[in-house]
Amino acid sequence: AQSVTQLDSHVSVSEGTPVLLRCNYSSSYSPSLFWYVQHPNKGLQLLLKYTSAATLVKGINGFEAEFKKSETSFHLTKPSAHMSDAAEYFCVVSLYNTDKLIFGTGTRLQVFP
Amino acid sequence: GAVVSQHPSWVICKSGTSVKIECRSLDFQATTMFWYRQFPKQSLMLMATSNEGSKATYEQGVEKDKFLINHASLTLSTLTVTSAHPEDSSFYICSALRGGGRLDTQYFGPGTRLTVL
Repeated sequence: AQSVTQLDSHVSVSEGTPVLLRCNYSSSYSPSLFWYVQHPNKGLQLLLKYTSAATLVKGINGFEAEFKKSETSFHLTKPSAHMSDAAEYFCVVSLYNTDKLIFGTGTRLQVFP
Repeated sequence: GAVVSQHPSWVICKSGTSVKIECRSLDFQATTMFWYRQFPKQSLMLMATSNEGSKATYEQGVEKDKFLINHASLTLSTLTVTSAHPEDSSFYICSALRGGGRLDTQYFGPGTRLTVL
């Protein structure tokens, strides 16, 4: 079975400092992994996805994530946080050979001025 | 970009009534749509997969007779919560699969908040 574990339910950073949102995955197969962001009153937006190509995946709004098989991790990073980054972030894995998505429990990112 | 809308954005109904939620892909056709449920401060749980022109596939534990799904066209899927009860109160989110191939991107609607009194 495939699953993802988001290690932090809540992360707080100051504006302009780096962001690190942690995600570990469990999969018997080479996984397809995603990060989605959910802003209040807006639909979930895809930040980036990994599908067994380059291990360092660049996404929108300056976010990137690195697939590390040895650590079974897919952490999301951004060099400098912006106030507009405050939102709920979900690490997601797709069920093998299907389009079904399995969501992590989410990490709420707070950005302080 | 790909846009998915949901209507209504919020609804309040009395216990025992039925509520229909629409999910539309506005600028692309989607043979497959998904319905999720999200409880407060929790993750999204997949309820069912909606395929245009065929019966929906429900996840284990989801009552198909309570949550009726109809995917009548390539741009519209509806979720009807029948005989709603307070425990059905939740945030319902749909997504539409663009492209049709495996691992193509799901685009999500903004969600519908259902409150059953």
